[in-house]
Amino acid sequence: DAGVIQSPRHEVTEMGQEVTLRCKPISGHNSLFWYRQTMMRGLELLIYFNNNVPIDDSGMPEDRFSAKMPNASFSTLKIQPSEPRDSAVYFCASTADRRDYGYTFGSGTRLTVV
Amino acid sequence: TQLLEQSPQFLSIQEGENLTVYCNSSSVFSSLQWYRQEPGEGPVLLVTVVTGGEVKKLKRLTFQFGDARKDSSLHITAAQPGDTGLYLCAGAGVETSYDKVIFGPGTSLSVIP
Repeated sequence: DAGVIQSPRHEVTEMGQEVTLRCKPISGHNSLFWYRQTMMRGLELLIYFNNNVPIDDSGMPEDRFSAKMPNASFSTLKIQPSEPRDSAVYFCASTADRRDYGYTFGSGTRLTVV
Repeated sequence: TQLLEQSPQFLSIQEGENLTVYCNSSSVFSSLQWYRQEPGEGPVLLVTVVTGGEVKKLKRLTFQFGDARKDSSLHITAAQPGDTGLYLCAGAGVETSYDKVIFGPGTSLSVIP
């Protein structure tokens, strides 16, 4: 398996533009998580899905952020409109339906909003 | 709200030294995981501990879960430059039925050759 695949690896955009981050989880994993990592706040859970259903989106900063998981092999995190304070590394992670299996993380998308 | 604290926040040591990093909480966790993150990459799972008092070894790394399942430690023997990275602990709560875990802020380790 190629692991959790995220795209793009780097994204530079202007304030006000729409940004879409993509994630392909490991086949057979039925939980998917979106995290944001910054120096100040560490790893923050934004939203997670179980069997393609959003379970907890309490970490989504505000209405500018939205996430979808239309099928078991694909998820998107969208920011519209983007702001400079959204600059961070965004990670996607997946796991099988057992918490002691641990998470497999993608390599992340480094987002810079100028 | 379940929170995890890690100490120290930063650690810089010489190659060959031993070190211990700690992960603490006031909450009980059903399991606890340790990850290592290298620059430009996502965290990579090192180990999961499930039973209170459990000790697991991974080559030069020794992980221990506290008896009360509220804390954990990671001990590295004879540190090498390849051990450099951010060490994160993550706890799975007893209240949640899904796979959500909470991450600590991490310990940034630098091993100097």
